Amino acid sequence: NAGVTQTPKFRVLKTGQSMTLLCAQDMNHEYMYWYRQDPGMGLRLIHYSVGEGTTAKGEVPDGYNVSRLKKQNFLLGLESAAPSQTSVYFCASSYQGLSTGELFFGEGSRLTVL
Amino acid sequence: KNQVEQSPQSLIILEGKNCTLQCNYTVSPFSNLRWYKQDTGRGPVSLTIMTFSENTKSNGRYTATLDADTKQSSLHITASQLSDSASYICVVSSQTGANNLFFGTGTRLTVIP
Repeated sequence: NAGVTQTPKFRVLKTGQSMTLLCAQDMNHEYMYWYRQDPGMGLRLIHYSVGEGTTAKGEVPDGYNVSRLKKQNFLLGLESAAPSQTSVYFCASSYQGLSTGELFFGEGSRLTVL
Repeated sequence: KNQVEQSPQSLIILEGKNCTLQCNYTVSPFSNLRWYKQDTGRGPVSLTIMTFSENTKSNGRYTATLDADTKQSSLHITASQLSDSASYICVVSSQTGANNLFFGTGTRLTVIP
């Protein structure tokens, strides 16, 4: 049982380049989330999805886009990367919504934007 | 404003000793409080989830307490092991709002032999 899998684990981009982070979960969870973790700050929600075909903005959505074409996958895109997007990105999934559902996190994707 | 504050920021203890980590929050209306363990370079892993009616919850050598009146929680680690070295994150959930999970910045625990 793989749980939540993120790819790639590491990536270095130049300013202005684009990329997509892939999150896949095999627990049949309805809810999926993308967070970013920066030094000295708590995890911050970028975007989330409450089911296949749905997406919604979180606390810090600017500069990111997401898609949930399949229930098991949640993609996070950066159209034009900026140094401020250097961070560790975590995908998470849950059976229930944020207020009650236990979150299962992936191992993280470390992104550096030069 | 909904906030979660943890103390201390970092802690170093000898293997075999006990320690207690603190979490204070202002989140309202309260739904539940969670403690996560995050090993270096890994994703957070859930240790406990406590609702309003639960004062204490244990997971092996980890015991979490919750005082909903004072809005405080603690995580007690008994007989620490080297593998306990990690960041411990307190997360508080609100009953309302779409983005209703509030994360603390974590306590970095280092257990030395």
